[in-house]
Amino acid sequence: QVQLQESGPGLVKPSQTLSLTCIVSGASISSDDFYWHWIRQSPGKGLEWVGYMYHSGTSYYNPSLKSRVTISMDTSKNHFSLSLNSVTAADSAFYFCARYAFYYGDFNFLDSWGPGTLVTVSS
Amino acid sequence: QPVLTQPPSASASLGASVTLTCTLTSDYSYYKVDWYQQRPGKGPRFVMRVGTDGIVGSRGDGIPDRFSVSGSGLHRYLTITDIKGEDESDYHCGVDYGSGGNFGWVFGGGTKLTVL
Repeated sequence: QVQLQESGPGLVKPSQTLSLTCIVSGASISSDDFYWHWIRQSPGKGLEWVGYMYHSGTSYYNPSLKSRVTISMDTSKNHFSLSLNSVTAADSAFYFCARYAFYYGDFNFLDSWGPGTLVTVSS
Repeated sequence: QPVLTQPPSASASLGASVTLTCTLTSDYSYYKVDWYQQRPGKGPRFVMRVGTDGIVGSRGDGIPDRFSVSGSGLHRYLTITDIKGEDESDYHCGVDYGSGGNFGWVFGGGTKLTVL
């Protein structure tokens, strides 16, 4: 059973860099069958896709965040990370890591999510 | 990229039925949509994928057969019958899109379902 767990500081100062790690157990982030995502949710709001990475090094980011976001992977530790620089209060949100799995044909989806971690941007 | 629209709220009584709607922008009428359930204080979990021909694949782990999906035109529906208190959640729809090297995921604003 795959499990994902976000970790990182809960408070970040404005203009600094938000850094989070997603520790994955029960599945390999090096597998060809998965993409690894970050998704955020401002309190009381909908979900916003941040970006994803594939073990080949391919990554895609939300166009609205692209200039500030980097997702990286450490296959030796089986975890992946999010870095978001120049943060403002608008970046305060619950951050979720999630796995997108290829099952068959068109049956592919975000099948596993972490519980989420709240990050507040404030001085 | 597509835009998904969901009503912000819905309500239904215990034992009743409710249908939640997710509407795609017009250029994306052929897209398949994923439904996710998010209980208070929890991460989302996959419910089902739906296209205009109905469900794609199968229900997510632990999703009862009281949940069903359908699709027509720009609309993708999630219907819950015999509603129980545990169904009170936020329901999100989402799509992955990609063409010409532009890939990403988009979600609707979510619908908060209140069980009366």
